[in-house]
Amino acid sequence: NAGVTQTPKFRVLKTGQSMTLLCAQDMNHEYMYWYRQDPGMGLRLIHYSVGEGTTAKGEVPDGYNVSRLKKQNFLLGLESAAPSQTSVYFCASRAGETQYFGPGTRLLVL
Amino acid sequence: GQQVMQIPQYQHVQEGEDFTTYCNSSTTLSNIQWYKQRPGGHPVFLIQLVKSGEVKKQKRLTFQFGEAKKNSSLHITATQTTDVGTYFCATSGAGSYQLTFGKGTKLSVIP
Repeated sequence: NAGVTQTPKFRVLKTGQSMTLLCAQDMNHEYMYWYRQDPGMGLRLIHYSVGEGTTAKGEVPDGYNVSRLKKQNFLLGLESAAPSQTSVYFCASRAGETQYFGPGTRLLVL
Repeated sequence: GQQVMQIPQYQHVQEGEDFTTYCNSSTTLSNIQWYKQRPGGHPVFLIQLVKSGEVKKQKRLTFQFGEAKKNSSLHITATQTTDVGTYFCATSGAGSYQLTFGKGTKLSVIP
């Protein structure tokens, strides 16, 4: 039981490049979330999903897209990366009221 | 959406001293959750409080939810170096799928 896993762990992008962050969970949770964490800002919700095939915007969705084609996977896409998207990205899945976080992806956009 | 403010932003304590972080809201909260994030790690769920005046303990950690459900606190008795990290409070509106996090209190423990 791996819990919540994230791929990749670290990535460097140039401005304008695209990439996809993958989140996978093996706990059969319906709800999944993508957050970004910046120094002094806490965790801010980007997008979330309440089930396979559904997604919704969170607090800071601009510049990101998501897909939940399979229940166990939640993908976060950056179509054209900007330096302001340099951050640590955390995925989480939820059981009851508890959110279980993945180990994070560190993204640096130059 | 609901917002929560955490104070202090940073706290440095000598090992063995007590530590408290506070989470405040201008509106009544449905619930409050607390998470701990170790340096370089990810947030880990500690506890959820839902009842007015609720107090829960986990070993040296005491969690309280205010009578008016507008504030909460986390108190650590006799801090240890293993307590180092950032403590976040978070809340979700009634029936909401989303959690709103405070900005966290970063605890440093001086051995």
